[in-house]
Amino acid sequence: ETGVTQTPRHLVMGMTNKKSLKCEQHLGHNAMYWYKQSAKKPLELMFVYNFKEQTENNSVPSRFSPECPNSSHLFLHLHTLQPEDSALYLCASSHRGGTGTDTQYFGPGTRLTVL
Amino acid sequence: KNEVEQSPQNLTAQEGEFITINCSYSVGISALHWLQQHPGGGIVSLFMLSSGKKKHGRLIATINIQEKHSSLHITASHPRDSAVYICALHPNTGNQFYFGTGTSLTVIP
Repeated sequence: ETGVTQTPRHLVMGMTNKKSLKCEQHLGHNAMYWYKQSAKKPLELMFVYNFKEQTENNSVPSRFSPECPNSSHLFLHLHTLQPEDSALYLCASSHRGGTGTDTQYFGPGTRLTVL
Repeated sequence: KNEVEQSPQNLTAQEGEFITINCSYSVGISALHWLQQHPGGGIVSLFMLSSGKKKHGRLIATINIQEKHSSLHITASHPRDSAVYICALHPNTGNQFYFGTGTSLTVIP
């Protein structure tokens, strides 16, 4: 247990569905991250939130919409996804964001399949 | 072009062997991280380095800033070390992270 939980652990959705991924951290951290891990590809940083403010958006398509209501919770809202969006989505947190010099704690991930 | 290159991509070792995984990069960095990912997806941060060497149990990580190279060593390898090891770096500027494609390690009893 890393102190970062993600739900659901597995999700299958059609291209017209709307779903949300949830991440919660119990570590008192101020920064939270969404990553995408596709098969045979490196991890990709999608979004960074620092003190609830989005500080990084790596040209992610608008069909992915993040929300950070407080420092402990992070959501990724999904709508009209494509099959190529099927991947493992990982959430992480760190004490502070933007420096890269803090250890990140990862959640177990949500395995997403888009049909 | 990938800013982070790892080698080897796959590695099989006998239990007890000394293992080295390499990471080369092409940008100036503020920190380099070694991560471990077990089957099922969970990722654990092993080390964060900005210079020199760190040791934790049987794991040793080194970095040479001038040569833009880092190594992860595992001494007396054990089957429970079987995992994917990922090198990640945070560049000097910006808020980005660059990741290697990972090294898949299998340790055979």
